[in-house]
Amino acid sequence: NAGVTQTPKFQVLKTGQSMTLQCAQDMNHNSMYWYRQDPGMGLRLIYYSASEGTTDKGEVPNGYNVSRLNKREFSLRLESAAPSQTSVYFCASRPNSGGYTFGSGTRLTVV
Amino acid sequence: DQQVKQNSPSLSVQEGRISILNCDYTNSMFDYFLWYKKYPAEGPTFLISISSIKDKNEDGRFTVFLNKSAKHLSLHIVPSQPGDSAVYFCAATSPSNQFYFGTGTSLTVIP
Repeated sequence: NAGVTQTPKFQVLKTGQSMTLQCAQDMNHNSMYWYRQDPGMGLRLIYYSASEGTTDKGEVPNGYNVSRLNKREFSLRLESAAPSQTSVYFCASRPNSGGYTFGSGTRLTVV
Repeated sequence: DQQVKQNSPSLSVQEGRISILNCDYTNSMFDYFLWYKKYPAEGPTFLISISSIKDKNEDGRFTVFLNKSAKHLSLHIVPSQPGDSAVYFCAATSPSNQFYFGTGTSLTVIP
């Protein structure tokens, strides 16, 4: 039982490049989330998916897109990376009631 | 607008003593509160939670207290151990099922 798996763990991008962060969970959770964590800002919600086939914007969605490919997978795409998107990104899932299970994070640097 | 606040970015405690981490919230609709612990280079992991119908929940060395009238919750760790050194996030959720995280408190337990 792997929980929530994120790939890659580290990435360096040049400004303007695109990339997709992958996330998969094996706990049959309905809801999945993408957060970013910046110093002094806590965890901020980028996008979430309450169920397969639905996605909604969170607190800081600009510059990102998401895809809920199936119940297991929820990907986050940066179409044109900017230095302001340098952050640590966490994917999480949770059942209908209860707390989150987080992935181990992706440390992204945009230069 | 930060609905969940952790006003102490850091805390240092001697091993064996009590650690008290505080969290304040502004939304009276929040009905479920959680604490997460995060080690460097890892995702946050669930620690303990409390429903708004209770004012205390205990799990081993960890106790969470909720004061609804003051919109305040706290996490007590007794006795503190060096392995408790981590960043602690409090989180709150409302019936709409949206989670809000505090900015975190970095706890250092000094041997």
